[in-house]
Amino acid sequence: KQEVTQIPAALSVPEGENLVLNCSFTDSAIYNLQWFRQDPGKGLTSLLLIQSSQREQTSGRLNASLDKSSGRSTLYIAASQPGDSATYLCAVKSQGAQKLVFGQGTRLTINP
Amino acid sequence: KAGVTQTPRYLIKTRGQQVTLSCSPISGHRSVSWYQQTPGQGLQFLFEYFSETQRNKGNFPGRFSGRQFSNSRSEMNVSTLELGDSALYLCASSLGGGLAGYNEQFFGPGTRLTVL
Repeated sequence: KQEVTQIPAALSVPEGENLVLNCSFTDSAIYNLQWFRQDPGKGLTSLLLIQSSQREQTSGRLNASLDKSSGRSTLYIAASQPGDSATYLCAVKSQGAQKLVFGQGTRLTINP
Repeated sequence: KAGVTQTPRYLIKTRGQQVTLSCSPISGHRSVSWYQQTPGQGLQFLFEYFSETQRNKGNFPGRFSGRQFSNSRSEMNVSTLELGDSALYLCASSLGGGLAGYNEQFFGPGTRLTVL
């Protein structure tokens, strides 16, 4: 059974810092891994999708890496801004399953 | 291109009632999945529909059901509501099809259900 863990559960940093969010999963037989952002009371916004054959994906100030063999992914946010404050969720889609398994999320606060 | 839409956005019901939630996927997407999000359990998979057929189901009681129409729109129904059903219900759409496993999923804004 796939399990996804995100550390830390909460993170508070001053504006302008670079930061890394971590995600680990127990079963390396995956199709892909997605990072999402969720603002309070809102739906999920897809940030990056990394297919199992890829090592990283970039979008603007965001960079996500995937090490399938070790069951780890990181989301790197450069030059953080107060608008980046949100909960960040990672989710994996295991082979043979048409569903996403989510971590509990990291609640990120960027202080002006 | 319009995103995933969900209606209604908010619902208040009492125990024992039933409720129907609706989801319209992105145009051209044929797969619709439903998730429940609660503070204690996080995001949990309910079921997935593709071409009007339920393709996958999560570990939820039979009170939770769904269906998909020929235009890919989907509804989920919860009967005999319990207090614990209070949650944000999220719908996700993806292309589906032969390479469905590799598809990116796009989520709607959710329906906030409160059971009193």
